[in-house]
Amino acid sequence: DAKTTQPTSMDCAEGRAANLPCNHSTISGNEYVYWYRQIHSQGPQYIIHGLKNNETNEMASLIITEDRKSSTLILPHATLRDTAVYYCIVRVQGNAGNMLTFGGGTRLMVKP
Amino acid sequence: NAGVTQTPKFRILKIGQSMTLQCTQDMNHNYMYWYRQDPGMGLKLIYYSVGAGITDKGEVPNGYNVSRSTTEDFPLRLELAAPSQTSVYFCASSYGTERRGNTFGSGTRLTVV
Repeated sequence: DAKTTQPTSMDCAEGRAANLPCNHSTISGNEYVYWYRQIHSQGPQYIIHGLKNNETNEMASLIITEDRKSSTLILPHATLRDTAVYYCIVRVQGNAGNMLTFGGGTRLMVKP
Repeated sequence: NAGVTQTPKFRILKIGQSMTLQCTQDMNHNYMYWYRQDPGMGLKLIYYSVGAGITDKGEVPNGYNVSRSTTEDFPLRLELAAPSQTSVYFCASSYGTERRGNTFGSGTRLTVV
């Protein structure tokens, strides 16, 4: 699986959009980009995933560059409850299903 | 649906003791996983299962064993607990095909003293 690079931490003002970048320059053509988050002391929570098209759901939007070497997770109106560690993961959908390799992630702090 | 349920939530073990961490899911997911998370670190895969009767090692399987006799249950067994196994353990499950990613349990915080 391709490795990802994320900033260690980011701040965002409450109510503003939070844009979390992720570099995955060695991504293969059949690898998906997944985003999860982990609020303190809780299990990780799935947010969104995509292959090459931009995706949007009730939680967030995922923008993937045309060359697929990087992506951005967008939380359109961040709230204090969005404070968490956000993980960007790239993964092939294979026989092992959604087996995920977690790195260090980005610690997002949403401030009043 | 209760989702993924893990028990116990907390446990303190003495070195050399054994225990089983329980995990059950009610979503009819065929894939199940065990991860551990050390303080300040990301998750590491211990074992996974793609269906009842089938298990395989992940990144850090040493010191652990698993079984998958039913679709719903995926217990993790620690034999001869060591301080290095002090961690938070998360169980997760998913469909085999691309859907909504993994669903995680709330974790078991284990301390080995």
